[in-house]
Amino acid sequence: QKEVEQDPGPLSVPEGAIVSLNCTYSNSAFQYFMWYRQYSRKGPELLMYTYSSGNKEDGRFTAQVDKSSKYISLFIRDSQPSDSATYLCAMSDFYNQGGKLIFGQGTELSVKP
Amino acid sequence: DTGVSQNPRHKITKRGQNVTFRCDPISEHNRLYWYRQTLGQGPEFLTYFQNEAQLEKSRLLSDRFSAERPKGSFSTLEIQRTEQGDSAMYLCASSGTGGNQPQHFGDGTRLSIL
Repeated sequence: QKEVEQDPGPLSVPEGAIVSLNCTYSNSAFQYFMWYRQYSRKGPELLMYTYSSGNKEDGRFTAQVDKSSKYISLFIRDSQPSDSATYLCAMSDFYNQGGKLIFGQGTELSVKP
Repeated sequence: DTGVSQNPRHKITKRGQNVTFRCDPISEHNRLYWYRQTLGQGPEFLTYFQNEAQLEKSRLLSDRFSAERPKGSFSTLEIQRTEQGDSAMYLCASSGTGGNQPQHFGDGTRLSIL
């Protein structure tokens, strides 16, 4: 079993829809949680960066972390065709394993006009 | 802020050849990371540096792989005697120090082994 599980999709939604992306993990020591967006043939681009449990909002994006359930989510409101990309969750146990990131498989999202 | 720069963007080589990739991190970042990403998968950690010191290496980094960061600036990743299974995207990321700072990635070097 992988440390971080993420549904690879693909996920297809109409423009304007609310998108929910999720990851589960097994290592309760993870403290930092991130979401990256990756366009085809490009590197991952940092979207959200959170520490421990709670919510964080940035524009149309909201990240949620529930450490008790070992579950993180990314919500995208008013989705746009330009949001079509692969979304990667990542996490780290910084205090015990340094800054190395453990990634999920990525979810491929397509937003149709 | 010019971002993380990686060269070349694409490398095609024959099996058995040696290849070297270069990463230039964001200028004020002390930490530099290498990851490998295969099609349909998330990036996997290979190694990381704080300044010029290589602090951790993954089991994925066989003895055919070597990474350096002379003078704590740019870094190189060399693969000797390439194999078909080395075909992947090699990603570099950098971050600042002072606790766990977010990592920013370059656009990677895509390696194709013929």
